[in-house]
This record gives sequence, C-alpha cells and structure tokens, in this order.
Amino acid sequence: GQQVMQIPQYQHVQEGEDFTTYCNSSTTLSNIQWYKQRPGGHPVFLIQLVKSGEVKKQKRLTFQFGEAKKNSSLHITATQTTDVGTYFCAGVRKDSGAGSYQLTFGKGTKLSVIP
Amino acid sequence: DAGVIQSPRHEVTEMGQEVTLRCKPISGHDYLFWYRQTMMRGLELLIYFNNNVPIDDSGMPEDRFSAKMPNASFSTLKIQPSEPRDSAVYFCASSAGRGAQETQYFGPGTRLLVL
Repeated sequence: GQQVMQIPQYQHVQEGEDFTTYCNSSTTLSNIQWYKQRPGGHPVFLIQLVKSGEVKKQKRLTFQFGEAKKNSSLHITATQTTDVGTYFCAGVRKDSGAGSYQLTFGKGTKLSVIP
Repeated sequence: DAGVIQSPRHEVTEMGQEVTLRCKPISGHDYLFWYRQTMMRGLELLIYFNNNVPIDDSGMPEDRFSAKMPNASFSTLKIQPSEPRDSAVYFCASSAGRGAQETQYFGPGTRLLVL
C-alpha cells in the first residue's frame, strides 16, 4: 500500500530558530496536504499543493512540493511558541482500480519550541 | 457553522462493553471520514463514506468495528466488544466535493479509554 514517511519524528528548537519537516511518498501523488495539530487538539488544514515543484507561503511557513510529486517539505522561519504542535503531511493518490482518491497521513513531526 | 460535532468527547469503559461514537458532519459536506489516532500508529483512516455510502473500509481493524451513516447528518462508529488496545482518540472529519482531494475538517475527537 501507499507509504508516507515523515521526518523527523520530533524536533526541539529554541525560539527564533528555523524548523523543517520532510515528507516522502513511495508513490507519485496527486496532491499533498499539510495539517497542524495543537497539543490536545485536532488536525487543522494548513494548505494543499497540487503542481509539480509548487511553492506556497503563509507568513513564516513555506511549503514545497517536489518535482516528481513524491516529496514535500514545510519550513518555518524564526519559530515562535505559537508554532508548537504536530505537523502532518497527507498524500493524496488516485486508486486507479477503485477510481477513488486515497489519502494517507504521515506520522507527523512534533515540534517543541523552547522560549 | 458549528463545524464537525462529535460525541461523547471522552469515554471510559470496561473491556467487553459496546462503545458507540457519534459524528455530525458539516452541513453540505458529502464525504465523511473516521480516523483513529494513537502514539504508536499515528493517524489511521478507518473508513470513509460518500453520500452516506461506505466507499473504503479497508482500514477497519477487525469485525469488532462497524460504521454506519443512516443519513447525511449523522454517522456512528461502533466497537463491540471493546478491548484495551482500542484505546485511542477517534476523529471524524468531513469534506465537500472531491473527497480526499479536498480539505478535511476534523471534529474535536472522542478520547476512548478501555480498561
């Protein structure tokens, strides 16, 4: 089945430092989504990338989709304590047999920010 | 909009008991997803519905788990009999349009503890 690997599993940074999480799929993706889950909360959609090589920015967050549409990254510049949480990527792939889209979440990167 | 509503928010039960989790999707969304989240396995898709019809239940762990969607505004996930290894946070999510390709809106989750 489809595998979506995400690294690192944990990241501790000093406030103000940058942070990056990486997502790799075993198969080519249709698109990729990123979610953030605060401690004790539920996943909240951040962004979706669709095009090969796409780069999108949301304030201090930069999202990239690889040329081969098999990997993606999320980079946070100058982390703040409000960035604390777990960041998940979710790869979307079309199941040619079933004709439906399959979405598989990575295991997430848990970010801790030391003030 | 009230968002996705789940009940109960917390459930503590004893092994062997039946557990029923409930979900009300966002009005107008025609896709509904059930996820299970644990530290060990991360976020796992259990089953999803389109227009009240189950599309993919390959993630349902075993016959003890069953899900229904009798109408567009209500779904249940039932575990019978429950086991300690079922302890997890269960999320319901809904989306519109193209299902897995669209943004998923998660409910607050049900935290299940089976003793």
